[in-house]
Amino acid sequence: NAGVTQTPKFRVLKTGQSMTLLCAQDMNHEYMYWYRQDPGMGLRLIHYSVGEGTTAKGEVPDGYNVSRLKKQNFLLGLESAAPSQTSVYFCASSYSRDTEAFFGQGTRLTVV
Amino acid sequence: AQSVTQPDIHITVSEGASLELRCNYSYGATPYLFWYVQSPGQGLQLLLKYFSGDTLVQGIKGFEAEFKRSQSSFNLRKPSVHWSDAAEYFCAVAGVGSGTYKYIFGTGTRLKVLA
Repeated sequence: NAGVTQTPKFRVLKTGQSMTLLCAQDMNHEYMYWYRQDPGMGLRLIHYSVGEGTTAKGEVPDGYNVSRLKKQNFLLGLESAAPSQTSVYFCASSYSRDTEAFFGQGTRLTVV
Repeated sequence: AQSVTQPDIHITVSEGASLELRCNYSYGATPYLFWYVQSPGQGLQLLLKYFSGDTLVQGIKGFEAEFKRSQSSFNLRKPSVHWSDAAEYFCAVAGVGSGTYKYIFGTGTRLKVLA
């Protein structure tokens, strides 16, 4: 009964380093999302996917890339990390575009 | 453009008092509306949702929300707050706007409950 699982839970990066955040869901959901949460900003949508092999930009896509090669996985990549990308990242999935989104526990990323 | 506004950043209430958290949205059609709760260090959990039909919706943990189309609002209410309700609450809207699908959140309201 895992739901949405994010790895890693914590990470510290140096400016310019790259990394990939992994999101896995076991609910056979079509829609998957990546958000970042910053104090006073709420959750802002980075990228989303409406099905395997598809991705689309959200509100704040710059500096991030995503891939959805398998239906259950949605990867978020940072090619060259910047301090402005210090945030808590949440992955979510939903069965369709108008149903409840299920969230992972978040990844706290610090870029120094 | 599609947007969600939660005008109250912080709200403090006494345990047992009633609660209303405000949410206003901007959307060209009837959106799908949600309220989520986030406890410290946790992900978000759905409290309730509105798609269509009865404009007063019931959720978990004794919460309810009322959709008012004329006011573009979807306010969350609870008759009697418990200390365990202290958390951050997010209103969200999903739907198609400007030809693209969006599932966006407000900036959140942090609730503090006084014993």
